[in-house]
Amino acid sequence: GQNIDQPTEMTATEGAIVQINCTYQTSGFNGLFWYQQHAGEAPTFLSYNVLDGLEEKGRFSSFLSRSKGYSYLLLKELQMKDSASYLCAVRDGANAGKSTFGDGTTLTVKP
Amino acid sequence: GAGVSQSPRYKVAKRGQDVALRCDPISGHVSLFWYQQALGQGPEFLTYFQNEAQLDKSGLPSDRFFAERPEGSVSTLKIQRTQQEDSAVYLCASTGVEGGDEQYFGPGTRLTVT
Repeated sequence: GQNIDQPTEMTATEGAIVQINCTYQTSGFNGLFWYQQHAGEAPTFLSYNVLDGLEEKGRFSSFLSRSKGYSYLLLKELQMKDSASYLCAVRDGANAGKSTFGDGTTLTVKP
Repeated sequence: GAGVSQSPRYKVAKRGQDVALRCDPISGHVSLFWYQQALGQGPEFLTYFQNEAQLDKSGLPSDRFFAERPEGSVSTLKIQRTQQEDSAVYLCASTGVEGGDEQYFGPGTRLTVT
């Protein structure tokens, strides 16, 4: 099975940088995803890591350490519209179709 | 269509009623997933199709839940004899290749069982 942990809530200031951590304990691993979900809306894809290291995409970056079972999502130059839930998800190594999601981190960006 | 669509968007059912939730994936997408999302929690995997084959249904909570994708495109999630604990948002997602990377989610169906 999979166990994914991420903080429940975080608060940050507009223009700042915030790091959202995710730790996982899994029986298999075939990639880690980050999704953004605004209240009442569907999750939208942010990033995918399968190898160790940092993936940068505009204001968002994601890091993975497979040996530590650890990932983080880094958001730079925060904007008010970044207030949302951020979901960490691990794809099962044995079944490439199945992803297990964490409960999400609700980020509130304040002016 | 441009994205994954789901219908209905909202469904209220009396306890004991049967419901059917529809998902239209992105045209040509091979893989289709159903998730259940309770308030304040992340999506929980229910089942996964590759074309018309249901490859994994390990997440279906009971035998009251049934999913099909007979022609490898549209999928239906059916819940029989609904219970209050079935109240949740049911999300459908699709990817272009087996497993795929990015999952494209539909807007979800919010089911309320009274």
